[in-house]
Amino acid sequence: EIVMTQSPATLSVSPGEGATLSCRASQSVSSNLAWYQQKPGQAPRLLIFDASTGATDLPARFSGSGSGTEFTLTISSLQSEDFAVYYCQHYYNWPITFGHGTRLEIK
Amino acid sequence: QVQLVESGGGVVQTGSSLRLSCAASGFSFNTYGMHWVRQAPGKGLEWVACISYEGSNKKYVDSVQGRFTISRDNSKKTVYLQMNSLRGEDTGVYYCAKNGPPYSGTYQDNWGQGTQVTVSS
Repeated sequence: EIVMTQSPATLSVSPGEGATLSCRASQSVSSNLAWYQQKPGQAPRLLIFDASTGATDLPARFSGSGSGTEFTLTISSLQSEDFAVYYCQHYYNWPITFGHGTRLEIK
Repeated sequence: QVQLVESGGGVVQTGSSLRLSCAASGFSFNTYGMHWVRQAPGKGLEWVACISYEGSNKKYVDSVQGRFTISRDNSKKTVYLQMNSLRGEDTGVYYCAKNGPPYSGTYQDNWGQGTQVTVSS
């Protein structure tokens, strides 16, 4: 099983500032990596797939990069609605696994 | 638009069974793989199972292998999760999710609102 490690666990950022979230895979997953956003009481929402492709209607301030074992989700200018928990997920092989999440909170 | 509606959750005792259902609409159900993903209280997401578009290929996380069975009825546009020998660690919200690309098992691009499963002793 591929282990996904996200860092940091919690990130405190002021609105308008940028944020960089990291995800590391225990072995190469090529570009088979997705990012999800989850707000309290809501289902997850797909943000990025194939490491860098934005989902439908994704705001331009969100971007994904990386390949192999190191991946990054960047939010360029945080809006109030962006404060949530973010998960990375690989789908390189079975079982699909998620990271433990990064909580993005208002500073 | 894509809509996924889960049902069948509830409170059950350890060792009992439960069947979850997910009714789909708004897309060509018979061309997409479907997933179940769960979330324990206050914890992260855990992928549970996936079924291929025609139902012949099924994958499970090790912790449910042999206890859970995923199935689908394309005529009813519904995917199921039969859960047997339930344990306390199976407690959580269970989400049904649609696979992104057709004819494959990869990421999930649409999710239901989830159904709560509570296993108590």
